[in-house]
Amino acid sequence: GAVVSQHPSWVICKSGTSVKIECRSLDFQATTMFWYRQFPKQSLMLMATSNEGSKATYEQGVEKDKFLINHASLTLSTLTVTSAHPEDSSFYICSARYVDTDTQYFGPGTRLTVL
Amino acid sequence: QKEVEQNSGPLSVPEGAIASLNCTYSDRGSQSFFWYRQYSGKSPELIMFIYSNGDKEDGRFTAQLNKASQYVSLLIRDSQPSDSATYLCAVKETGGFKTIFGAGTRLFVKA
Repeated sequence: GAVVSQHPSWVICKSGTSVKIECRSLDFQATTMFWYRQFPKQSLMLMATSNEGSKATYEQGVEKDKFLINHASLTLSTLTVTSAHPEDSSFYICSARYVDTDTQYFGPGTRLTVL
Repeated sequence: QKEVEQNSGPLSVPEGAIASLNCTYSDRGSQSFFWYRQYSGKSPELIMFIYSNGDKEDGRFTAQLNKASQYVSLLIRDSQPSDSATYLCAVKETGGFKTIFGAGTRLFVKA
């Protein structure tokens, strides 16, 4: 149980385009999901907390107009990287909060490369 | 600023030995504590969680919690080369939904 999927697993795009990443909790409902970014050999960095039916809460220094988050259902949150640039290339990982144990389960991640 | 501190390592142990990973945290009110394993290029996977002071065992893994000392540890018995990974200590913040992650300890198990 407590499986989280992400799609796509990797994406390559041109500078200036937008990319949407989906995060789904497959066997449980998640009112809260989280989006992280991780650069090579660095720590996880929380970008934002996504709550179903309400606006996401962004961490300090994360541009909300650049990283659009939508949590439209209890099993789906999306992250859209708008007008992507090479410096946005990173490993984006979502997690979903499993209420029963108050535990975060992570998706497999999406590797974004912006050319 | 709530913090979770881990020794970055690398920690190197021979196959079959016990690996001991340690973590301290600053949020005195925290009640939920987690250990995740992250292989290179992959996302973190949950190993175990612990809420009460003392030890919690799951297979070869034992988590230890001491809230008075604000200290969490993970013991891996009979370490295997496949245990080589980065181990993340995580602490749920008091009164919120966020979990604060440590930077991780890199573990190498030598065959």
